[in-house]
Amino acid sequence: KAGVTQTPRYLIKTRGQQVTLSCSPISGHRSVSWYQQTPGQGLQFLFEYFSETQRNKGNFPGRFSGRQFSNSRSEMNVSTLELGDSALYLCASSSQGDYTDTQYFGPGTRLTVL
Amino acid sequence: QKEVEQNSGPLSVPEGAIASLNCTYSDRGSQSFFWYRQYSGKSPELIMSIYSNGDKEDGRFTAQLNKASQYVSLLIRDSQPSDSATYLCAVNMDQAGTALIFGKGTTLSVSS
Repeated sequence: KAGVTQTPRYLIKTRGQQVTLSCSPISGHRSVSWYQQTPGQGLQFLFEYFSETQRNKGNFPGRFSGRQFSNSRSEMNVSTLELGDSALYLCASSSQGDYTDTQYFGPGTRLTVL
Repeated sequence: QKEVEQNSGPLSVPEGAIASLNCTYSDRGSQSFFWYRQYSGKSPELIMSIYSNGDKEDGRFTAQLNKASQYVSLLIRDSQPSDSATYLCAVNMDQAGTALIFGKGTTLSVSS
């Protein structure tokens, strides 16, 4: 099976712009989670989608949003970008979305905000 | 605020030695515990998952869980230079989904 794919892999934006990142889960996986990784804060949970519904949300401002489509592909959007949004954004998928499930991570999207 | 704590390291061990990585968590209700390995510039990959008290072994890796002490550890036997990476401890946020709370990771360096 193909792994989790994320596009684009690298992105450079300026403050105030918005950005959309895309994630395609492993075929058959129904749960998609998004994480932000920075050197200072480490890996932090953003949100999780299961069957097109947001099931859980981390402690991030409303500028961060996401959605999941009927084919389980997911997008996340960050509006009004700030310098502190520069990070590696990782998407992870799991098959049943159960708390014991293994999550498989994609390669990430490296976002740089200038 | 649920937290997962790890020593940042670096933890340096010689080739062939046992590396011991430790993690504590704040939420007594946590049920699922995971160890991920992350090489520089790469995404995390799962090494071990553990759900019950005690030890779980997989090849050179042993995960240990003590829920009473809220403590998880990972032992790497016969450490190899290829084990040099950052090891992330993760705990499920709740039982409603797959959301994980990660520690900030321990950097392991294995010298040949």
